[in-house]
Amino acid sequence: EVQLQQSGPELVKPGASVKISCKTSGYTFTEYTMHWVKQSHGKSLEWIGGINPNNGGTSYNQKFKGKATLTVDKSSSTAYMELRSLTSEDSAVYYCANGNYAMDYWGQGTSVTVSS
Amino acid sequence: EIQMTQSPSSMSASLGDRITITCQATQDIVKNLNWYQQKPGKPPSFLIYYATELAEGVPSRFSGSGSGSDYSLTISNLESEDFADYYCLQFYEFPYTFGGGTKLEIK
Repeated sequence: EVQLQQSGPELVKPGASVKISCKTSGYTFTEYTMHWVKQSHGKSLEWIGGINPNNGGTSYNQKFKGKATLTVDKSSSTAYMELRSLTSEDSAVYYCANGNYAMDYWGQGTSVTVSS
Repeated sequence: EIQMTQSPSSMSASLGDRITITCQATQDIVKNLNWYQQKPGKPPSFLIYYATELAEGVPSRFSGSGSGSDYSLTISNLESEDFADYYCLQFYEFPYTFGGGTKLEIK
């Protein structure tokens, strides 16, 4: 069974950075591109970007270039997303997702709240 | 960037009804379209892939259709557990884009 376990909620100050993790199990880590998705409160979903765990190759939504950095650690089958220079606009739930059809499997979500 | 226009944004229906949600892309996405269901506080749940294929474990009252730039999700014989938010996703090209969502409420 594919499982994506994300790190816990974050409360961060404006201007700071945060790094969210997505630990995987139940499949070969390098099999699927890992995608990250943002969902602001009460709103729709936005694709942030994706990373190929085989070679670390990334594709980003232009809107999130400079905001998000995607990385992987193959040794621990974990994907990471770092968000920098946080503002209130970055307060949201962030999901990791992957699968044969882009996003079959989803993590439980990580809530990021940006507040002083 | 491919825009996905989803409609309606909200709707109400009764138990046992049949409803249809549509997504229109700004170009041909060659059936590279998924549908998801989302309940409050939960991640999206995978319903349909490649426009018409039912994901594992999804009840047969859910179905998808469409081609080119126009797609739809139909739910027949609505059950109480079906009242949720629904989203389409195009994964034909980067950046992947979602529809704006449909909130399905009980009448």
